[in-house]
Amino acid sequence: QVQLVQSGAEVKKPGASVQVSCKASGYPFRDYYMYWVRQAPGQGLEWMGWIDPYNGDTSYSQKFQGRVTMTRDTSIATAYMELSRLRSDDTAFYYCATNGGRCSGGNCYYAYWGQGTLVTVSS
Amino acid sequence: DIVMTQSPDSLAVSLGERATINCRSSQSVFDSSYNKNYLAWYQQKPGQPPKLLIYWASTRASTRESGVPDRFSGSGSGTDFTLTISSLQAEDVAVYYCQQYYSAPPTFGQGTKVEVK
Repeated sequence: QVQLVQSGAEVKKPGASVQVSCKASGYPFRDYYMYWVRQAPGQGLEWMGWIDPYNGDTSYSQKFQGRVTMTRDTSIATAYMELSRLRSDDTAFYYCATNGGRCSGGNCYYAYWGQGTLVTVSS
Repeated sequence: DIVMTQSPDSLAVSLGERATINCRSSQSVFDSSYNKNYLAWYQQKPGQPPKLLIYWASTRASTRESGVPDRFSGSGSGTDFTLTISSLQAEDVAVYYCQQYYSAPPTFGQGTKVEVK
């Protein structure tokens, strides 16, 4: 079965960077887009972008352009999301998700989710 | 960006009663080429990631994710959509989100919290 396992919680200072990993199993990693969505505590869901693990193509939300980088390592079926120049309002749960190949292209719903990684930004 | 607006923000329903959540998009999410609405619904319980309930919302028969009880149904087309829980169970207490994936960036509603009255 499809499983996405994310790295553990992080505490960072303002201005620092954070990298969250998402290890996939149970499906051909290269075949399905990986998406990143974040959720501030008690708030709603915010799409950050996607990566196509097959060729590394990415698409980022304009809100995060210049601060976010999504990469992948196909040899270990793992996707990464790095967010730089952290601010206090970046404190949130960060989720990876995949559509299980149900759509062509990046516009899709998300059938499988990681457990979430809490990133806390505090001085 | 397409703005998704849900109503109400919260509702309290007695066990066994019907719960109805509305979702409106600022522009149509219907693709006439494929005859599909690019609209999904998720359920999120405290401390858990969102769970997909329904996708390809439709006036006729939205697609329910495998394993989702049939008391959950979705309807609507164009800009107006509804998620209905026909008979609320205790385990349905959660926040529910709609999402459009018609155009980038995909956007979510603000969420509707469902509680037991």
